[in-house]
Amino acid sequence: DTAVSQTPKYLVTQMGNDKSIKCEQNLGHDTMYWYKQDSKKFLKIMFSYNNKELIINETVPNRFSPKSPDKAHLNLHINSLELGDSAVYFCASSQLDRRDTEAFFGQGTRLTVV
Amino acid sequence: AQSVTQLDSQVPVFEEAPVELRCNYSSSVSVYLFWYVQYPNQGLQLLLKYLSGSTLVKGINGFEAEFNKSQTSFHLRKPSVHISDTAEYFCAVRGNKLSFGAGTTVTVRA
Repeated sequence: DTAVSQTPKYLVTQMGNDKSIKCEQNLGHDTMYWYKQDSKKFLKIMFSYNNKELIINETVPNRFSPKSPDKAHLNLHINSLELGDSAVYFCASSQLDRRDTEAFFGQGTRLTVV
Repeated sequence: AQSVTQLDSQVPVFEEAPVELRCNYSSSVSVYLFWYVQYPNQGLQLLLKYLSGSTLVKGINGFEAEFNKSQTSFHLRKPSVHISDTAEYFCAVRGNKLSFGAGTTVTVRA
């Protein structure tokens, strides 16, 4: 059983389009994250939700809007896509009050904006 | 505030040779330390973690890491690498949030 699953795995789209990436976890964790990995492999946290509440919102353009319908799902919607949005986006989950436990990651969504 | 510095961006190594990946961290709160591995075109998976107790931590695939509080380091080692160890390795600290280093690319050659 996949612990953290993201869809789609690949996404190619034109500039200016709006797209969404979905994430689901079946680990019973209360916290979910979105990370962006650029072409140099650097991982940067974008958002974090705890029990559907936004707890981390790093400096991210407001074209990016996360939505958490329940604690097992965290979706990422991106408006007016730009070339610089091309990256791999990872969803992750963990238990907030268990800092000694690791975060589990999805397989990533490779977004290419052309 | 917390930060993670991986001192080597790329480490080429021959098969069956040892490898060490260096990681230093800083934090104003107590942290837990992790090493993750990312194989090509895959997500991140946990190699090992340090919580407390023995400073030498053993992980999967023959990797181990040593926590050094005075030097605020958490270096990763493997005594003999395989071609399949070619991957990106990330050091991470979890204090108030989970922060990653910039990653170290390990390329194992025959």
